[in-house]
Amino acid sequence: GQNIDQPTEMTATEGAIVQINCTYQTSGFNGLFWYQQHAGEAPTFLSYNVLDGLEEKGRFSSFLSRSKGYSYLLLKELQMKDSASYLCAVMDSNYQLIWGAGTKLIIKP
Amino acid sequence: IAGITQAPTSQILAAGRRMTLRCTQDMRHNAMYWYRQDLGLGLRLIHYSNTAGTTGKGEVPDGYSVSRANTDDFPLTLASAVPSQTSVYFCASSDSTSTDTQYFGPGTRLTVL
Repeated sequence: GQNIDQPTEMTATEGAIVQINCTYQTSGFNGLFWYQQHAGEAPTFLSYNVLDGLEEKGRFSSFLSRSKGYSYLLLKELQMKDSASYLCAVMDSNYQLIWGAGTKLIIKP
Repeated sequence: IAGITQAPTSQILAAGRRMTLRCTQDMRHNAMYWYRQDLGLGLRLIHYSNTAGTTGKGEVPDGYSVSRANTDDFPLTLASAVPSQTSVYFCASSDSTSTDTQYFGPGTRLTVL
């Protein structure tokens, strides 16, 4: 079966750095997406990785290792507005997204 | 209209009733999707459409039907609602069904009693 695993909840302090991990087992691989979802709102796109390595976009970076079936999202200089759920999704061989349950990130002052 | 809109925002429905959730996009995207999101679970694909005139089944299609008469609209119909269909429903679109980013509508919160 297909499976995406990520921690259910994490807590971090404003101004700090946090790393959210995602491991996956899917039928094929056509890229990995990270989305942010604030409570009661729609998911919004953060990043896409299809090759191994680190992609940096401002305060957010995403890393992929295809051989390990592993990705992480790194958030730097945390702000209160970063309190949200972060969703990891893998595009399988049928070009369908398989979603993790999301990691709820709580930022404390 | 900018992006994707969904209607209604929320709805309480009696079991056995028919309900259509509406989704409209103005980005001229070819592909559209319907997902449901339940607490503790990842988004699950209900139905999708690669282009106007075609539809396909996702992971959890039972009890739902869709149509894609034109590029912009992708309604989702529950023929006879059941309590297990209580969920938040998101419509999404992308330029194609390859690796293009999917963009989401604001969601419809549906409660079936």
